[in-house]
Amino acid sequence: QQQVKQSPQSLIVQKGGISIINCAYENTAFDYFPWYQQFPGKGPALLIAIRPDVSEKKEGRFTISFNKSAKQFSLHIMDSQPGDSATYFCAASTGQAGTALIFGKGTTLSVSS
Amino acid sequence: GAGVSQSPSNKVTEKGKDVELRCDPISGHTALYWYRQRLGQGLEFLIYFQGNSAPDKSGLPSDRFSAERTGESVSTLTIQRTQQEDSAVYLCASSLAGGPGGELFFGEGSRLTVL
Repeated sequence: QQQVKQSPQSLIVQKGGISIINCAYENTAFDYFPWYQQFPGKGPALLIAIRPDVSEKKEGRFTISFNKSAKQFSLHIMDSQPGDSATYFCAASTGQAGTALIFGKGTTLSVSS
Repeated sequence: GAGVSQSPSNKVTEKGKDVELRCDPISGHTALYWYRQRLGQGLEFLIYFQGNSAPDKSGLPSDRFSAERTGESVSTLTIQRTQQEDSAVYLCASSLAGGPGGELFFGEGSRLTVL
């Protein structure tokens, strides 16, 4: 069964600290792994994404680390800011056209100032 | 408007009533998705439309749920004989092309409360 497991469910980080959110998947056919960010009352928005041909992708303060053999990937937020406080969802999909993204259950991040 | 538009933004209904939720995707986006987000939960896939292909209905939780899309335009999600467990935010998303690697653009959702 296609599934993406995300942890932790919630996270509190001090301003300037590093936030780390982890995801694990089961389906080895998954080949696209995005992270979405959702603020209260808004729809999720794409933050950063990675494909399994690379082990790391960095965009500004956000980095995805990917471990294909362990079937795990993680989001690192460096120098976390109060404005980063949101819910973060990892997701995955296969290479088959017409397949929907499967999302994790989300991590609520609170960055204290 | 430039984004995905959903209506109504909030809907309160009585148990047993039917509800319709509407989604206007971004113009030119061929793929359209419906997800359900229960309080404190992740995004649960419901249904996916891609152009004129048969929709992927594998995520619909019961036969009380159905959705339609006319061409590459508006979609309607219908829930018949609503139950309290149907209370959730229903999110619609569209993308330029279906399949892997396509960024999903989400609307702000329709919050359904079943009393």
